[in-house]
Amino acid sequence: GQQLNQSPQSMFIQEGEDVSMNCTSSSIFNTWLWYKQDPGEGPVLLIALYKAGELTSNGRLTAQFGITRKDSFLNISASIPSDVGIYFCAGQPQAAGNKLTFGGGTRVLVKP
Amino acid sequence: DTGVSQDPRHKITKRGQNVTFRCDPISEHNRLYWYRQTLGQGPEFLTYFQNEAQLEKSRLLSDRFSAERPKGSFSTLEIQRTEQGDSAMYLCASSLRQGARETQYFGPGTRLLVL
Repeated sequence: GQQLNQSPQSMFIQEGEDVSMNCTSSSIFNTWLWYKQDPGEGPVLLIALYKAGELTSNGRLTAQFGITRKDSFLNISASIPSDVGIYFCAGQPQAAGNKLTFGGGTRVLVKP
Repeated sequence: DTGVSQDPRHKITKRGQNVTFRCDPISEHNRLYWYRQTLGQGPEFLTYFQNEAQLEKSRLLSDRFSAERPKGSFSTLEIQRTEQGDSAMYLCASSLRQGARETQYFGPGTRLLVL
């Protein structure tokens, strides 16, 4: 089963708002990745983090690799309608091979 | 398009039939991964290859599942005697390890429905 706790499970956004989501783990990871998945499609890589403490931006997206190696967060600034989708964090364990362990996802929806 | 491709995109089959999926990785990527994703969940690891060698298999991969990567390029995932519980999205990812860094890129997936 999955070992990453991702929160929130879902959130509503209004255009222009900043949003934030995070992932925590009981295990140490040496790489954190953030993906976005649209319905019926595969996950698309947003940001990759390789060092504890690293803060990386990709356009309106910013992600950080926690100092303890057990957490990461993703921020989206000035959200737009196409930010709707499911965001997944994924970690590569330090000593258990190269497979990714995924969080349960954060579903981003537009406020009615 | 030089991304990861998967074929077919959708497959509907009857319980007990065999199905085979294909994945073509990004060229020059030596690692290829298979994951399974059920509705409302994140992907779960099934198996991975480095070149043509299958290096790890998850306990999720029952005896009815087999994966190959015969020439270290494309890969196939076969499910024999399908069961309704096999219904899921099957995702392929490829990567190229560079030093301590490895980033996996996913294909669009094959959605399987077993009736």
